[in-house]
Amino acid sequence: GESVGLHLPTLSVQEGDNSIINCAYSNSASDYFIWYKQESGKGPQFIIDIRSNMDKRQGQRVTVLLNKTVKHLSLQIAATQPGDSAVYFCAPEALNFGKGTSLLVTP
Amino acid sequence: NAGVTQTPKFRILKIGQSMTLQCTQDMNHNYMYWYRQDPGMGLKLIYYSVGAGITDKGEVPNGYNVSRSTTEDFPLRLELAAPSQTSVYFCASLGDTEAFFGQGTRLTVV
Repeated sequence: GESVGLHLPTLSVQEGDNSIINCAYSNSASDYFIWYKQESGKGPQFIIDIRSNMDKRQGQRVTVLLNKTVKHLSLQIAATQPGDSAVYFCAPEALNFGKGTSLLVTP
Repeated sequence: NAGVTQTPKFRILKIGQSMTLQCTQDMNHNYMYWYRQDPGMGLKLIYYSVGAGITDKGEVPNGYNVSRSTTEDFPLRLELAAPSQTSVYFCASLGDTEAFFGQGTRLTVV
């Protein structure tokens, strides 16, 4: 089946800095990818998605980059805020979630 | 618009007891999913459904059963609870591009 993994299980950044969370995937047939944010004690929430025919997509303070050649995704968060502290997952077609990366924003 | 609603929020079961975790969505989504999430881990897919009357196993289906008699409801059944089923359970439904999650059911089996 699909293998989705994350390079860094934890990431600590200072408030105001930019954050980059990485994700590798194995199934080259995946058509689109979704990034989710999960705050402590809550269910995952959609952040941004990207289709396989794109290499970049921007949202509000977030940018997702897709490199199909090396099967790699990244989520960039600009000017990270304390409210961004959460676990972040990437998932192809909402079915297969990796372990997640825990983002901790320190003041 | 309530989205995805799960009940109960918390439950403690004794080994061997049974229970049903309820999940309902009001968005008329065909695709629905059940996941479990163990501490510090990602979500593992238990069962999913692509529409009323159709269900399929996910990555970790053993010890669970589901049914999908209506588009709105997708209950998850545990027949003989075991300590290994202690986890947080999330139900989700899939729209055009985004999955909507319930708030989770925290289950402890003792």
